[in-house]
Amino acid sequence: AQSVTQLGSHVSVSEGALVLLRCNYSSSVPPYLFWYVQYPNQGLQLLLKYTTGATLVKGINGFEAEFKKSETSFHLTKPSAHMSDAAEYFCAVTFNTNAGKSTFGDGTTLTVKP
Amino acid sequence: GAVVSQHPSWVICKSGTSVKIECRSLDFQATTMFWYRQFPKQSLMLMATSNEGSKATYEQGVEKDKFLINHASLTLSTLTVTSAHPEDSSFYICSARGLAGTYEQYFGPGTRLTVT
Repeated sequence: AQSVTQLGSHVSVSEGALVLLRCNYSSSVPPYLFWYVQYPNQGLQLLLKYTTGATLVKGINGFEAEFKKSETSFHLTKPSAHMSDAAEYFCAVTFNTNAGKSTFGDGTTLTVKP
Repeated sequence: GAVVSQHPSWVICKSGTSVKIECRSLDFQATTMFWYRQFPKQSLMLMATSNEGSKATYEQGVEKDKFLINHASLTLSTLTVTSAHPEDSSFYICSARGLAGTYEQYFGPGTRLTVT
């Protein structure tokens, strides 16, 4: 069965510091991978996605992620954190064998300190 | 593009009553929509997959007679919580699947349901 693990339920960084949010998945078939951001009392917004092709994908707000098949990982990074990046981040995986349903990680709360 | 709306954004109802939540894709047609439930500080729990013109597919443990889903058009899916109880209080989020083969989902802003 597919699963997604986000290491670290809470990550705290200083403004201007590197942001690294970890995501690992388990799968026996090629996955489609997504990162979403959720602000309080709002829905989820797509940050970036990997489907095929280049393994380093760039998304909105300066975020990027790299698909590493050998490590079954899709970690999210941003070189310099802004206060506005404080939010909940979810990694999700979808397979073309399950009617497009996504499995979400438990989420990581990012706190940005001034 | 790819905007999904939900209505209402929040609702308070009395125990025993029914509440309908609408999910609309505003600028695209969505043959597949998903309904999620989210508890505070937790991840999204998929409740059901809604396909236009057919019965919804419910996840294990979700009562289909309690959470009625209708997907009558390519832009509208509704979730009706019947005979609501306080334990049904939650944040309900819908999403619409994008173009065939892309597998990304566009999420609505969510509906906060409080049952008193």
